[in-house]
Amino acid sequence: QKEVEQNSGPLSVPEGAIASLNCTYSDRGSQSFFWYRQYSGKSPELIMFIYSNGDKEDGRFTAQLNKASQYVSLLIRDSQPSDSATYLCAVVGRSNDYKLSFGAGTTVTVRA
Amino acid sequence: EPEVTQTPSHQVTQMGQEVILRCVPISNHLYFYWYRQILGQKVEFLVSFYNNEISEKSEIFDDQFSVERPDGSNFTLKIRSTKLEDSAMYFCASSDISPVNTGELFFGEGSRLTVL
Repeated sequence: QKEVEQNSGPLSVPEGAIASLNCTYSDRGSQSFFWYRQYSGKSPELIMFIYSNGDKEDGRFTAQLNKASQYVSLLIRDSQPSDSATYLCAVVGRSNDYKLSFGAGTTVTVRA
Repeated sequence: EPEVTQTPSHQVTQMGQEVILRCVPISNHLYFYWYRQILGQKVEFLVSFYNNEISEKSEIFDDQFSVERPDGSNFTLKIRSTKLEDSAMYFCASSDISPVNTGELFFGEGSRLTVL
């Protein structure tokens, strides 16, 4: 079983719509959860993190965490063409684990 | 704004040769990482380094790989005898807080390694 699983996409949404990205993880003891964005040929950059169950909003982005279901999601509201990128879910496992494990990413294309 | 810098940006080498990839993490950061990304694939963890020693390494990080922090500022990844399958983008990252405490990893722009 993969540590972090994401739908690879591509996910195509019209400009102004909501893009919904999903991620599941296998380690029930996972502590911290991150969403990174990676433009083609570039390095990952942090969008936001979440560590408590529920929702966390930051501008047009909302992360949702459900530890019981081992599920974390990212909503992008009012999607813009500049949001077109690959979105990486990343998870830290046990409390003494320094490793950030990445999913394969979901590619999002926002159509103008 | 402080950033992680990596050199070289692109290196081409022959199979079996040794390669050293260099990174200068952000100066007050304590946690250092190497990740790699084979073209079209996911970002894979190689190794983490804290308090001048390896804190964790993956199955990929076998005896042909080593890391050093030779002078308190640089952080290097050495691949002793490169193989074709080592061709990838190698990312260095650093953070001031452990990711288990939601510390953000700041990534460098990457070093693309091509093994012929």
